[in-house]
Amino acid sequence: EPEVTQTPSHQVTQMGQEVILRCVPISNHLYFYWYRQILGQKVEFLVSFYNNEISEKSEIFDDQFSVERPDGSNFTLKIRSTKLEDSAMYFCASSGTGTYTFGSGTRLTVV
Amino acid sequence: RKEVEQDPGPFNVPEGATVAFNCTYSNSASQSFFWYRQDCRKEPKLLMSVYSSGNEDGRFTAQLNRASQYISLLIRDSKLSDSATYLCVVSTSGNTPLVFGKGTRLSVIA
Repeated sequence: EPEVTQTPSHQVTQMGQEVILRCVPISNHLYFYWYRQILGQKVEFLVSFYNNEISEKSEIFDDQFSVERPDGSNFTLKIRSTKLEDSAMYFCASSGTGTYTFGSGTRLTVV
Repeated sequence: RKEVEQDPGPFNVPEGATVAFNCTYSNSASQSFFWYRQDCRKEPKLLMSVYSSGNEDGRFTAQLNRASQYISLLIRDSKLSDSATYLCVVSTSGNTPLVFGKGTRLSVIA
């Protein structure tokens, strides 16, 4: 079964540092997403990406966040200057015909 | 983005019990409805889509009431392996961002 792959599985970073979270979506999917889940809270939408541009973003997705599809397979989320409150699970997802598949997530810990 | 509300948990039930989860959504433009399951510190996994006519998959039955903006999930003959958090999820159409409820935790006890 096709899967969405995320790396790393866990990243610890110091406050103020930049981090890049990586995702390889399912190859024939055209829509890509980032979600985050702070411990004990609900899964929250960050951004969606289609046709090489952002199609929608939430109020969480401010100027410190950016996304990129640098080649035909990877989809990245960059956090420019991490804050303690960015600590969360970050899930990448992709969808084709309305079927969404989630990656196993990256646990980001900001210290 | 409008909200999805779910029963507060946790639900602690014995093996073999029937358990029901309820969910309401506030965005009347929602068109796609799902129940996801999330194990501790894992990604959400699709349990089933929910259709207007109601649908069943083995021990799981999902129902949708568009007029009341209400979704339900019934689990019959609970197994220990059903222990997880159940997430009610909606979207306005295919491929639009999913909106998640906070989830209801289920613990099935031997």
